[in-house]
Amino acid sequence: AQSVSQHNHHVILSEAASLELGCNYSYGGTVNLFWYVQYPGQHLQLLLKYFSGDPLVKGIKGFEAEFIKSKFSFNLRKPSVQWSDTAEYFCAVNARRDDKIIFGKGTRLHILP
Amino acid sequence: DTEVTQTPKHLVMGMTNKKSLKCEQHMGHRAMYWYKQKAKKPPELMFVYSYEKLSINESVPSRFSPECPNSSLLNLHLHALQPEDSALYLCASSHSGDLTEAFFGQGTRLTVV
Repeated sequence: AQSVSQHNHHVILSEAASLELGCNYSYGGTVNLFWYVQYPGQHLQLLLKYFSGDPLVKGIKGFEAEFIKSKFSFNLRKPSVQWSDTAEYFCAVNARRDDKIIFGKGTRLHILP
Repeated sequence: DTEVTQTPKHLVMGMTNKKSLKCEQHMGHRAMYWYKQKAKKPPELMFVYSYEKLSINESVPSRFSPECPNSSLLNLHLHALQPEDSALYLCASSHSGDLTEAFFGQGTRLTVV
């Protein structure tokens, strides 16, 4: 069965700092990978997804993620964060042809103005 | 229409009550999900319906009973809940198959008293 681990539980950055959130998954087969964001009091929104092709995927709000198959990783990056990026970020994995989507424990990101 | 609509937004119920949560989508998605999210925790998968058939039940107690009346609707019937069942209940939908990307509703915040 697939699983996801996120290394950083709580990250505090100043505005304009660069961001990288780690995500590793465990599954022997082909996977789809996602990053979701949950702003305070709001529902989950998809930031970006990887199905196949270019391992560097760009999402909304200036976020990008790189799939490194050899490392089973899908780290999220943003060159310059803003105060409005304060939110909880979840990495998620779905094994191909399986409808199950499993979430990591989440990383709480706090941006200082 | 890329929305997943959940009703009600908030629900308070007693331990002897019977209530239902409702979820609707009109994106033609054939997979629908129920997740449970406790505060500061990731969403935990409860049930998956694929083509209106229950395909995944993550060992959820029988006091939670899902129902998929048609391809657009998903219900979660609640009976004899416990206070520890208080949580945000999220519905999601996606295309079934290789390109699974879940769209989430805003959730129903359930309080069991």
